[in-house]
Amino acid sequence: GDSVTQMEGPVTLSEEAFLTINCTYTATGYPSLFWYVQYPGEGLQLLLKATKADDKGSNKGFEATYRKETTSFHLEKGSVQVSDSAVYFCALSPPGYSTLTFGKGTMLLVSP
Amino acid sequence: DGGITQSPKYLFRKEGQNVTLSCEQNLNHDAMYWYRQDPGQGLRLIYYSQIVNDFQKGDIAEGYSVSREKKESFPLTVTSAQKNPTAFYLCASSIRGRSNTEAFFGQGTRLTVV
Repeated sequence: GDSVTQMEGPVTLSEEAFLTINCTYTATGYPSLFWYVQYPGEGLQLLLKATKADDKGSNKGFEATYRKETTSFHLEKGSVQVSDSAVYFCALSPPGYSTLTFGKGTMLLVSP
Repeated sequence: DGGITQSPKYLFRKEGQNVTLSCEQNLNHDAMYWYRQDPGQGLRLIYYSQIVNDFQKGDIAEGYSVSREKKESFPLTVTSAQKNPTAFYLCASSIRGRSNTEAFFGQGTRLTVV
């Protein structure tokens, strides 16, 4: 079945550092790929998405590129802020379906 | 404001009791979902519904039940058959049948067995 693997956390960075959170997936066909973010005690919010190979999703300075050849969707940000501290989830949705398969989440902690 | 409302935010259950978690949405979405979140486990799909009066089991449906009598509402019952119910439960909704659609999540209900 479909699966998503993302790097374990926590990832601890200083403010203004460069962020990469790795995500790889296993799925048939061409799924849609997502990054969701969860702030403490809250639900999830969509951060960005990409729906076909070589698409780049971007939002709030975060970016991720859909790489079919490496089945990856790594999340990057050039300069993190303390307010970016949260748990980040990589997820996929198979073609024609709206259900989501999530990775286990990566906690990001940014210190001033 | 459009969104998803889950209640209660915190819920305590005694051993052997059934409890029902509420989820209401006013986004006019056909599809609704229940996920369970455990520390270090990500989110796992319990049940989902694509249309009123129809629902399907997800990956971890045992010990749970749902109903979908109205488009806006998708309550989840955690039965006494669920062996380890302590978890954070998230409800979501989206447009039906499209893989590129955003899912909107509620604020969650934290269930604790006492």
